[in-house]
Amino acid sequence: TQLLEQSPQFLSIQEGENLTVYCNSSSVFSSLQWYRQEPGEGPVLLVTVVTGGEVKKLKRLTFQFGDARKDSSLHITAAQPGDTGLYLCALSGSARQLTFGSGTQLTVLP
Amino acid sequence: KAGVTQTPRYLIKTRGQQVTLSCSPISGHRSVSWYQQTPGQGLQFLFEYFSETQRNKGNFPGRFSGRQFSNSRSEMNVSTLELGDSALYLCASRPGLAEYQETQYFGPGTRLLVL
Repeated sequence: TQLLEQSPQFLSIQEGENLTVYCNSSSVFSSLQWYRQEPGEGPVLLVTVVTGGEVKKLKRLTFQFGDARKDSSLHITAAQPGDTGLYLCALSGSARQLTFGSGTQLTVLP
Repeated sequence: KAGVTQTPRYLIKTRGQQVTLSCSPISGHRSVSWYQQTPGQGLQFLFEYFSETQRNKGNFPGRFSGRQFSNSRSEMNVSTLELGDSALYLCASRPGLAEYQETQYFGPGTRLLVL
């Protein structure tokens, strides 16, 4: 069974700071997705990365896929309180079944 | 287009009881998946239904079951509830036309508390 580990588990920062969260796999994966989940809601897809070394940007969020396809990172520039939420990475090799990481709970304080 | 809806949003049950949760997918979506989210285990896949047939199942005991109707709406049932079944149960839908590269759209979940 392929496992995903996310770090850190919890992160509390001040508005305007930068941060990076990590997602590491026990083995090579074909594609990976990042989700954000806000309280009382289900996860919402942010991005899908499929190519080793790929970098995708979504406004202040930058997603990177490791060259060896075993790790990924999410970098947020100038974090805002609206970025608060649970960030989840998930293996998406098959749309039939997503395997999620343990998540990073981010709190951005005003 | 309306999103995925789940009912009820909150539910309190006692040990030994059974519970049925409902999910209405996005119009036109034929695949519905169920996930359990707990603080300890995170988000775990339960099962997926497509055209009224279960296509994939996660590693959960037989007390967890589901079904899908001809209009793609899905229900999930948990029998003989245990304290450890307390969780947020999430439903997700997608068109189901391709196994890869389809986005899953999640509902807001049903929060189940077992006392």
